[in-house]
Amino acid sequence: DAKTTQPPSMDCAEGRAANLPCNHSTISGNEYVYWYRQIHSQGPQYIIHGLKNNETNEMASLIITEDRKSSTLILPHATLRDTAVYYCIVRAPYNTDKLIFGTGTRLQVFP
Amino acid sequence: GAVVSQHPSRVICKSGTSVKIECRSLDFQATTMFWYRQFPKKSLMLMATSNEGSKATYEQGVEKDKFLINHASLTLSTLTVTSAHPEDSSFYICSASWSGSGTYEQYFGPGTRLTVT
Repeated sequence: DAKTTQPPSMDCAEGRAANLPCNHSTISGNEYVYWYRQIHSQGPQYIIHGLKNNETNEMASLIITEDRKSSTLILPHATLRDTAVYYCIVRAPYNTDKLIFGTGTRLQVFP
Repeated sequence: GAVVSQHPSRVICKSGTSVKIECRSLDFQATTMFWYRQFPKKSLMLMATSNEGSKATYEQGVEKDKFLINHASLTLSTLTVTSAHPEDSSFYICSASWSGSGTYEQYFGPGTRLTVT
């Protein structure tokens, strides 16, 4: 079973920041938080991952709480192309460790 | 970098026939690849973990004799759906672990849509 809880859906206006929350209260000490997204009828796309420090890349920022029990993915300036299902997954950083997908958050960016 | 391809992108086959789907890591070597299945409006379900040069590890409930997985090289894994039936119609997606960052994030192929008539 997935170890994360996400809201089923969210809306965001184009150009505004999209903040997607994720709860992972049972995360283990060696598990990272990974975020992926899936645009309709495509394979999932890796976005970002982190252990305990906040992370930022060209796509998004990841804010992890100090107790690591929750995190927020931030898309700073959402565009229509960011409409997708976003998955938050916790996983140990080993070669063979699985990604277990939950139901994710369906983000709809509107004009 | 870290590009994964799948072939074919979509395939239609008749009930009772077999279909092979290829998954390739184009610019990196992947000792471990994963196969997922996704039904409409559902999340991805892991089918099996494929390790280069060894037998695949299947998830509970996945028939290993029906879904044959071969991982003969560090850049290629194949999934063969044998004696396909309409209920096997689904979106099949592979992923490969990339070790470039040291934390083995998985990169996904674009998926293969299988329709069994």
